Amino acid sequence: GAGVSQSPRYKVAKRGQDVALRCDPISGHVSLFWYQQALGQGPEFLTYFQNEAQLDKSGLPSDRFFAERPEGSVSTLKIQRTQQEDSAVYLCASSKGQGAVEKLFFGSGTQLSVL
Amino acid sequence: GNSVTQMEGPVTLSEEAFLTINCTYTATGYPSLFWYVQYPGEGLQLLLKATKADDKGSNKGFEATYRKETTSFHLEKGSVQVSDSAVYFCALRGGNAGKSTFGDGTTLTVKP
Repeated sequence: GAGVSQSPRYKVAKRGQDVALRCDPISGHVSLFWYQQALGQGPEFLTYFQNEAQLDKSGLPSDRFFAERPEGSVSTLKIQRTQQEDSAVYLCASSKGQGAVEKLFFGSGTQLSVL
Repeated sequence: GNSVTQMEGPVTLSEEAFLTINCTYTATGYPSLFWYVQYPGEGLQLLLKATKADDKGSNKGFEATYRKETTSFHLEKGSVQVSDSAVYFCALRGGNAGKSTFGDGTTLTVKP
């Protein structure tokens, strides 16, 4: 596709529900990142994939958070037993290569509200 | 670990005013530095970047110079327009080419 696509755009969940957020990166992009953005703050790193390999998951806040990218393209971020503190915008970004000079292309995000 | 500190906002300017948004960073090695912009209702997009010391990134009249001696990457524009109203994020991507680290963003409002 032309850009990074995320779905759903908005998600409302009851506390304790499981949610799955999808990211479709730009075709051919090797690197894929998930970020969490709280209101009024910058994106906070969650996890990073290079192709299908999850190279860094140090930002995942708890074992309720799980991400996968099984075929090196589409990625899913799953949050189990959602809590109110999980409410945030979840951003997906991809880059063509893996070098430090590579810019990120961002999706529009999924706004998660946990009631 | 790496960190980015941005000038706190919000910033409100009149059209044609001069803009500076300060950004300083802490990083190991030789990171690349970026400014991303988020226009209302849109996703983050790259505004400009610099990949080594003394490089100047520029785009749409905005400029920023990678200053290693002061660990800074301040964003400047000589004459802002109403259409520049957005949230601006300073970021760095480390030499190990993994995650990017972002500042908290600065909201700019330009009034006609």
